[in-house]
Amino acid sequence: DSGVTQTPKHLITATGQRVTLRCSPRSGDLSVYWYQQSLDQGLQFLIQYYNGEERAKGNILERFSAQQFPDLHSELNLSSLELGDSALYFCASSVGAYNEQFFGPGTRLTVL
Amino acid sequence: AQSVTQPDIHITVSEGASLELRCNYSYGATPYLFWYVQSPGQGLQLLLKYFSGDTLVQGIKGFEAEFKRSQSSFNLRKPSVHWSDAAEYFCAVGLSGGYNKLIFGAGTRLAVHP
Repeated sequence: DSGVTQTPKHLITATGQRVTLRCSPRSGDLSVYWYQQSLDQGLQFLIQYYNGEERAKGNILERFSAQQFPDLHSELNLSSLELGDSALYFCASSVGAYNEQFFGPGTRLTVL
Repeated sequence: AQSVTQPDIHITVSEGASLELRCNYSYGATPYLFWYVQSPGQGLQLLLKYFSGDTLVQGIKGFEAEFKRSQSSFNLRKPSVHWSDAAEYFCAVGLSGGYNKLIFGAGTRLAVHP
């Protein structure tokens, strides 16, 4: 158990809908990262927040957005969902902006 | 562009046999290299990392990896595989000075025969 929690574990929704994935980092970690793991794209870095501020951006679609709240938990919002958004979404956290990342168990999103 | 290549999608070994998983990277600067393992239904766990210094790094669970700059490789090894090592293994390179932006390879799925 890495200490990173993600909810929900599974999410099934329809195309065009919007969902929110939640991540609670390890106690004391200030940085949160989001990754997408899909069969065709593999594991891709989406975005990083550090202490509430966006720190680094990867291949995140405009339909996706994220934020980190004052209590340091983070949410990833996915809107106008398409079939291709079906994937496993991982959250990771680290103490600082450039430290070892600890991964959560992931949220499996299925878009029908 | 930065990239990580894991040439072997699937590898099957017998329990007790030695293991080597290949990883090649493409990155202009000094790379920060990692190996992660993902067991079914689990998140990723860091096995080992290389930043600088000794090119042979030791990790958890009896794994080690060797950084070879001339070959742009960071291969993972284990002298004797256990059935519990069956999992998917990912090599990654860290950009922007270290950890914060990881580029992952496609992964190698390891099966272990009894």
